[in-house]
Amino acid sequence: KAGVTQTPRYLIKTRGQQVTLSCSPISGHRSVSWYQQTPGQGLQFLFEYFSETQRNKGNFPGRFSGRQFSNSRSEMNVSTLELGDSALYLCASSLGGMSNQPQHFGDGTRLSIL
Amino acid sequence: GESVGLHLPTLSVQEGDNSIINCAYSNSASDYFIWYKQESGKGPQFIIDIRSNMDKRQGQRVTVLLNKTVKHLSLQIAATQPGDSAVYFCAETTAGNQFYFGTGTSLTVIP
Repeated sequence: KAGVTQTPRYLIKTRGQQVTLSCSPISGHRSVSWYQQTPGQGLQFLFEYFSETQRNKGNFPGRFSGRQFSNSRSEMNVSTLELGDSALYLCASSLGGMSNQPQHFGDGTRLSIL
Repeated sequence: GESVGLHLPTLSVQEGDNSIINCAYSNSASDYFIWYKQESGKGPQFIIDIRSNMDKRQGQRVTVLLNKTVKHLSLQIAATQPGDSAVYFCAETTAGNQFYFGTGTSLTVIP
C-alpha cells in the first residue's frame, strides 16, 4: 500500500508570493492533517480535514488555508508569504472517524522563503 | 499539550544497549498516545501507540509505558542499533481531536 505522498518536495518562493502544497493520503484514509515543522517550534498543527470538511484548526493566521477533495486528496495554500513561513510542511493521514487512529506522515514539502 | 522548547534533548547510547526516551504530557484527559521516529530528510514514522486504558504495550524491540498518575510516557528500545539514530517524538490526543507533539529527543547510537 502506498504511503502518504506530498508534492513538491522542495519549493523556493519570495516574500509576498503564494504557494499551494499537495498531499495524497494513504488509500482508504479519509482524514488529512497538516503540520508546520521548524527547529524552534517543533511540530505545530495547522488543520485537519475529514470528508471534505475542516474538522479541527490550529492557531495559524488566515493566510494558511486548505481544502480536501472528494478523493481525500488535500491541498494547503499559504498566501502573502513571509520569511517566517520557511519550514517543513508535513501532511498526515488516518482512517478518521471519531475514534483514535494513528496518523501516518508523508516526507513533507520543504518551503524556503527568500 | 506539550510546551515547546528551543533545544532538542539528546541521548547517546552504545550499540547493543537499551534506550529509554521519556515524554511528559499535561492534559489528564489525553486518551491516546503515539511514538514517532523521524530520520533526517523524512517525515515522522509511526512506531507504536497506546490507549489510556493500558499501562504497557510491546512491539518489535520497542515497549511503551504509560503512567497516567504522573502523566508520563516512555519508549524503551531494546538492543539499540545504529539505524535507531533519529529524533523521537511523542504525540497525544483526546477523543479524536488534534494531536499535540512533544519537542522530540535526538537519539545517537554509538557503534
